[in-house]
Amino acid sequence: NAGVMQNPRHLVRRRGQEARLRCSPMKGHSHVYWYRQLPEEGLKFMVYLQKENIIDESGMPKERFSAEFPKEGPSILRIQQVVRGDSAAYFCASSPQTGTNSGNTIYFGEGSWLTVV
Amino acid sequence: GDSVTQMEGPVTLSEEAFLTINCTYTATGYPSLFWYVQYPGEGLQLLLKATKADDKGSNKGFEATYRKETTSFHLEKGSVQVSDSAVYFCALTYSSASKIIFGSGTRLSIRP
Repeated sequence: NAGVMQNPRHLVRRRGQEARLRCSPMKGHSHVYWYRQLPEEGLKFMVYLQKENIIDESGMPKERFSAEFPKEGPSILRIQQVVRGDSAAYFCASSPQTGTNSGNTIYFGEGSWLTVV
Repeated sequence: GDSVTQMEGPVTLSEEAFLTINCTYTATGYPSLFWYVQYPGEGLQLLLKATKADDKGSNKGFEATYRKETTSFHLEKGSVQVSDSAVYFCALTYSSASKIIFGSGTRLSIRP
């Protein structure tokens, strides 16, 4: 967990509002991943980004969700017009390069808990 | 497609009991296998990993052996403590892949 910073840790939004979740990867890491954990469920992959590029967004809902990782600044997961079903924990992870067989490990942040009321 | 199946929880044990949490996988290639642990209100921490068949990952008294013949990666600990109470996730990924595939998690509760 060391070094991957997520904020806010807890966010409450009313239905229809926008939620923005931020993730600063570990120093030296250029790859960021977002996962969603619904209550009492496992983690589901959402999107994988490198600086200024979306590499794999196969797990992102088609509407209302977007992600970016600009050249400067944190990665942002944006959820527009939130609904109650968006209530979940959103975890960010980072790695120095793709893959873990080489010994590089993906490190997770502590998560952002979104509650939609 | 690739998937991970974990023993359903919750699992409740007494302190010092022996722990096994079963994990099997389905994979088209030769993935690396992981166990992650999530303590209440926290993110995921890597507990152990194995990158090829017959490798044994170990950490904090936990062990898991990559069994290609049974496509399994069961987590074991000889004597659990109250502080081991958490949710445990089995997972796989490939060296060239961009995502980790997680099992649904197993909640472990240890009674004093």
